[in-house]
Amino acid sequence: SYVLSQPPSVSVAPGETAKFTCGGNNIGTKSVHWYQQKPGRAPVLVNYYNSERPAGIPERFSGSNSGSTATLTISRVEAGDEADYYCQVWDRSSGHPSWVFGGGTKLTV
Amino acid sequence: EVQLVESGGGWVQSGGSLRLSCTASGFPFSGFSMNWVRQAPGKGLEWISYISSSGSSMYNAKSLMGRIIISRDNANVYLQMNSLRVDDTAVYYCARQRIGEYYGMDVWGQGTTVIVSS
Repeated sequence: SYVLSQPPSVSVAPGETAKFTCGGNNIGTKSVHWYQQKPGRAPVLVNYYNSERPAGIPERFSGSNSGSTATLTISRVEAGDEADYYCQVWDRSSGHPSWVFGGGTKLTV
Repeated sequence: EVQLVESGGGWVQSGGSLRLSCTASGFPFSGFSMNWVRQAPGKGLEWISYISSSGSSMYNAKSLMGRIIISRDNANVYLQMNSLRVDDTAVYYCARQRIGEYYGMDVWGQGTTVIVSS
């Protein structure tokens, strides 16, 4: 089955740029989505189709996807961005269609 | 207001069954696929089941095959869970998905907690 790899943690100071990577075999051929989850809350979609932002998500959140790595970038990080971030793809390569989540990256600000 | 509200969680003994419900409001339910995603305590997100907008296509995570059944009606999506195990203990979320793999899950419920004890 398809595996998405995320580093467990990222730490940045307020105002800096945070980058979250999501590794997968030929992930550049897939559509990658990103979610933010704060403690005790449901996940929130912050980026979809590699680089699109849902309504209400600040422009500080941007995405890219190429080769074997997708990246979510948060510019001018704020304390309120502290959360877990998950990448996701739809995988049908194994003949058993399924959504796959990465293990998540904890952002500490 | 676009909303998903889960219910049906609770405490159950190992080997038991539960039926989770998710009630949608504020959007044309029949135009969206639906998913169930769970999160064990202190762990990451785990997708478990998908149903298409028409209900004609359903997919389950391999790890739960044979133990879960997803279904839907006019405004609800359900998850029937059988032969529950201690490691099924988790918060269960339903999530809306636009048709196709390009949009992600843009609306989530608040989650319902399932606790399975031995």
